[in-house]
Amino acid sequence: GQSLEQPSEVTAVEGAIVQINCTYQTSGFYGLSWYQQHDGGAPTFLSYNALDGLEETGRFSSFLSRSDSYGYLLLQELQMKDSASYFCAVREGNQAGTALIFGKGTTLSVSS
Amino acid sequence: DSGVTQTPKHLITATGQRVTLRCSPRSGDLSVYWYQQSLDQGLQFLIQYYNGEERAKGNILERFSAQQFPDLHSELNLSSLELGDSALYFCASSGTGLNQPQHFGDGTRLSIL
Repeated sequence: GQSLEQPSEVTAVEGAIVQINCTYQTSGFYGLSWYQQHDGGAPTFLSYNALDGLEETGRFSSFLSRSDSYGYLLLQELQMKDSASYFCAVREGNQAGTALIFGKGTTLSVSS
Repeated sequence: DSGVTQTPKHLITATGQRVTLRCSPRSGDLSVYWYQQSLDQGLQFLIQYYNGEERAKGNILERFSAQQFPDLHSELNLSSLELGDSALYFCASSGTGLNQPQHFGDGTRLSIL
């Protein structure tokens, strides 16, 4: 089976940079995804890394090291609206059928 | 707006009852996934359908069942409801291929009294 570890809480101030780490154990690996979820809202797709390296999308970047079974989400120029839960997730399955297995989430609190 | 539509947004019912949650995927997406989110268990995968066929199954209880119809909308049926079934139920859809992201609907909040 799969398991993912990420910190439960992170706090930061507006304008700062924060990194949310994720380590995983999988029986098969098809990439690491990151989702954002505001209180009671829908998880929103942020990024996906299938290969090693850094993917940048605006203020958000995501990194993957498959040899270390490790990835992180980097949030820059933090804004109050970035206060939310962030989940890393790995795919389980194969071409026929897949599921996303989520970590327990990291609650990010941004203060002014 | 993800393009995934779930109804109803809220559902309140009693133990022992049966409910049906509905999901319409994004236009063009053939895969539909159901997830349960509770405070103690986090986001848990329940089941996936692709173009009407069941493709993957998670820790879905026998009291729960799902189907995907020819128009690609999906329904999740929950029966003999228990207090512990109170949760947010999300539907997601994706295009074909392992690299396609899943896009989530706004969820149905189910409360069992």
